[in-house]
Amino acid sequence: GAVVSQHPSWVICKSGTSVKIECRSLDFQATTMFWYRQFPKQSLMLMATSNEGSKATYEQGVEKDKFLINHASLTLSTLTVTSAHPEDSSFYICSASPPGGYEQYFGPGTRLTVT
Amino acid sequence: DAKTTQPPSMDCAEGRAANLPCNHSTISGNEYVYWYRQIHSQGPQYIIHGLKNNETNEMASLIITEDRKSSTLILPHATLRDTAVYYCIVRSVNTGNQFYFGTGTSLTVIP
Repeated sequence: GAVVSQHPSWVICKSGTSVKIECRSLDFQATTMFWYRQFPKQSLMLMATSNEGSKATYEQGVEKDKFLINHASLTLSTLTVTSAHPEDSSFYICSASPPGGYEQYFGPGTRLTVT
Repeated sequence: DAKTTQPPSMDCAEGRAANLPCNHSTISGNEYVYWYRQIHSQGPQYIIHGLKNNETNEMASLIITEDRKSSTLILPHATLRDTAVYYCIVRSVNTGNQFYFGTGTSLTVIP
């Protein structure tokens, strides 16, 4: 149980375009989902906390207009990187927590390359 | 949020116990200690967590000192598949359950 999927697993896009990444909890309902970014040889950096039906809470230094997060249902959260630039190239990972639970179950990650 | 300090890297012989230390000297009374690991280019995998008492599951054991300022993750019989980056995280119940990852320990299991 407690499986989280992400789609796509990798994506290449051109500079200036937007990219949407989906995060789904497959066998449980997730009231809270989290989005992380990881650059090569670095640790995970929390970008934002997403609660179903409400606006996401962004960490300091993360541009909310650039990284649009939507958590429209209890099993789906999306991250849209708008007007992507090469410096946005990174490994994006989501996680989900079940209601009342404190563990985070992580997705496999999405590798974004902006050319 | 309490910060954690871990050694950047460790080696362990296959079949031996791997003991991974974590220092969290500023931990508060209601903050849990979580351990995750990340194999290259994958999402982190949950290992174990605890508050005060030592914990054991099918993957590992977690030893938390009495003053809770440090903990040790023990993999009893390390295999090559345990080669990964191990993260010790302190989770606060007061700030939305966010995880703030430190730099972790890169464990290499040697044949």
